[in-house]
Amino acid sequence: GDSVTQMEGPVTLSEEAFLTINCTYTATGYPSLFWYVQYPGEGLQLLLKATKADDKGSNKGFEATYRKETTSFHLEKGSVQVSDSAVYFCALGFRTTDSWGKLQFGAGTQVVVTP
Amino acid sequence: NAGVTQTPKFQVLKTGQSMTLQCAQDMNHEYMSWYRQDPGMGLRLIHYSVGAGITDQGEVPNGYNVSRSTTEDFPLRLLSAAPSQTSVYFCASSPTAGDYGYTFGSGTRLTVV
Repeated sequence: GDSVTQMEGPVTLSEEAFLTINCTYTATGYPSLFWYVQYPGEGLQLLLKATKADDKGSNKGFEATYRKETTSFHLEKGSVQVSDSAVYFCALGFRTTDSWGKLQFGAGTQVVVTP
Repeated sequence: NAGVTQTPKFQVLKTGQSMTLQCAQDMNHEYMSWYRQDPGMGLRLIHYSVGAGITDQGEVPNGYNVSRSTTEDFPLRLLSAAPSQTSVYFCASSPTAGDYGYTFGSGTRLTVV
């Protein structure tokens, strides 16, 4: 079945370090791909998205590229800040007739950035 | 402020009790959904609605009911609470189903004892 696999956390980094969170998926057809971020005590916020192969989503210094050949959507940021500490979720948006609009989430990756 | 409003933020129930989690959005979004978040499992879809009067089941619908009488509101009902329903519940909405990202509420933390 369809699924999203993320690297396990927590990922602990120093401020200004490079961040990569791996995300791979299995899906029927051509899903949309999303990264959501959840700050402590809050709901999820859409961070970025990509709707077709080779699209690059970007926001707040984060980037991710839709790689159809490797079924991946890895999240990257060149220089993290303490305020980036959060849980990051990779999600797959279905486009099949019977699943239109549904999101399949990965388990989430906690990121801790220390000063 | 425009967005998705969930009430209550916290709730403790005894096994067998019933309750309704409220969700309201003021963005005129057609698509609304309920998720539960459990440690190590990400978010799982409970029920969803593509418009007023239309609802359908998601991945984990057992023990929950929904209705959508208006575009704005999408309440989630727990019929007879069980400890396995202890979780954080999120409501989300989107202009339509498809390529749009979702706007999430801040969540309801439910504990069933």
